[in-house]
Amino acid sequence: QQQVKQSPQSLIVQKGGISIINCAYENTAFDYFPWYQQFPGKGPALLIAIRPDVSEKKEGRFTISFNKSAKQFSLHIMDSQPGDSATYFCAARLTGGKLIFGQGTELSVKP
Amino acid sequence: DAGVTQSPTHLIKTRGQQVTLRCSPKSGHDTVSWYQQALGQGPQFIFQYYEEEERQRGNFPDRFSGHQFPNYSSELNVNALLLGDSALYLCASSWKGVTSGENIQYFGAGTRLSVL
Repeated sequence: QQQVKQSPQSLIVQKGGISIINCAYENTAFDYFPWYQQFPGKGPALLIAIRPDVSEKKEGRFTISFNKSAKQFSLHIMDSQPGDSATYFCAARLTGGKLIFGQGTELSVKP
Repeated sequence: DAGVTQSPTHLIKTRGQQVTLRCSPKSGHDTVSWYQQALGQGPQFIFQYYEEEERQRGNFPDRFSGHQFPNYSSELNVNALLLGDSALYLCASSWKGVTSGENIQYFGAGTRLSVL
């Protein structure tokens, strides 16, 4: 299966709170797991990415947690800000470069 | 350093027409991938070009074709347009086919295609 399942579909968080988005996959051939942030009318922008042999990666307020045995990974946004309001996509890369995207999570951070 | 650039930004066509979209990769990148993003959906992989050849293809009909030029820029052509082809078409570039390591794809802003 080449699907990547993403949840929740939408998320509302108060300013300063933690936003958590989850993804699950089946195909063990995936070799890299990026997260993209997309604002309306723009293309997806790479946010953070992780290799499957690493359990956690942190960049500023953004952290990826990766559970290889469960085939799940998640994005945590600490101290969420209104400027973080966007659609977030998890993705998984197959050998050769093809990216399989999740369905997206629309995040709204309320002031 | 220019990122991935796509043209045009918006396009309106009618059913049955043909369309060509263009992409210039990020400086230093040699691989171009094309994705279709329907409204409210994640991008779906169309195909990838490296060394002027199609290397991988997603589940899209032959109406979708492409080309890569010696300067690494690329075109996406869609023939016999259908209403369902209305979408945001994204170009992504990377280096050396993204076959290993942390070479990751960087996306352009896309071309919004509307088929009437």
